[in-house]
Amino acid sequence: GQNIDQPTEMTATEGAIVQINCTYQTSGFNGLFWYQQHAGEAPTFLSYNVLDGLEEKGRFSSFLSRSKGYSYLLLKELQMKDSASYLCAVRGRDYKLSFGAGTTVTVRA
Amino acid sequence: KAGVTQTPRYLIKTRGQQVTLSCSPISGHRSVSWYQQTPGQGLQFLFEYFSETQRNKGNFPGRFSGRQFSNSRSEMNVSTLELGDSALYLCASSLDDRSHYGYTFGSGTRLTVV
Repeated sequence: GQNIDQPTEMTATEGAIVQINCTYQTSGFNGLFWYQQHAGEAPTFLSYNVLDGLEEKGRFSSFLSRSKGYSYLLLKELQMKDSASYLCAVRGRDYKLSFGAGTTVTVRA
Repeated sequence: KAGVTQTPRYLIKTRGQQVTLSCSPISGHRSVSWYQQTPGQGLQFLFEYFSETQRNKGNFPGRFSGRQFSNSRSEMNVSTLELGDSALYLCASSLDDRSHYGYTFGSGTRLTVV
């Protein structure tokens, strides 16, 4: 099975940078996903990593280290609309997607 | 293109009843997954279907079942509802279960069991 850990809450100021860490233990690995979920809405896809390294997409970047079972999502130039829950999800050997409990990010003016 | 459509959006049922939820994936997507989301447990995987076959199943009791039709639409059924089944049920579709484009989620069906 999978064990996925991420912090419960983070708070940052508008314009700042926030890094959300995700550690996982998995039986097999077929990729790691990050999703954003605003309250009352569906999760939306942010990024996918399957190889070690950094993937950059505008203000959002995601990093993966498979040997350490570690990933982070970096949010730069924070905006109020970035206040949301961020979900780390790992796809295991059986291609099932398992989610962490999510990190609620609050952006303050 | 149209997104993932889930119906109904809201549902109130009584303990002991059964319920059927529907999910229409994005056109061309053949993989459909179902998740249960609750404040305490987060997103929990229920099952995944690909080309009408169940490919994966989560750790839920047999009261939870699903199926996929030839047009890739999927339904999930919960029988003998319990209060603890109250949750947001999310459906996600992808081109295939090996997709690296991620899974597109529908808006969900919020089920309340009273």
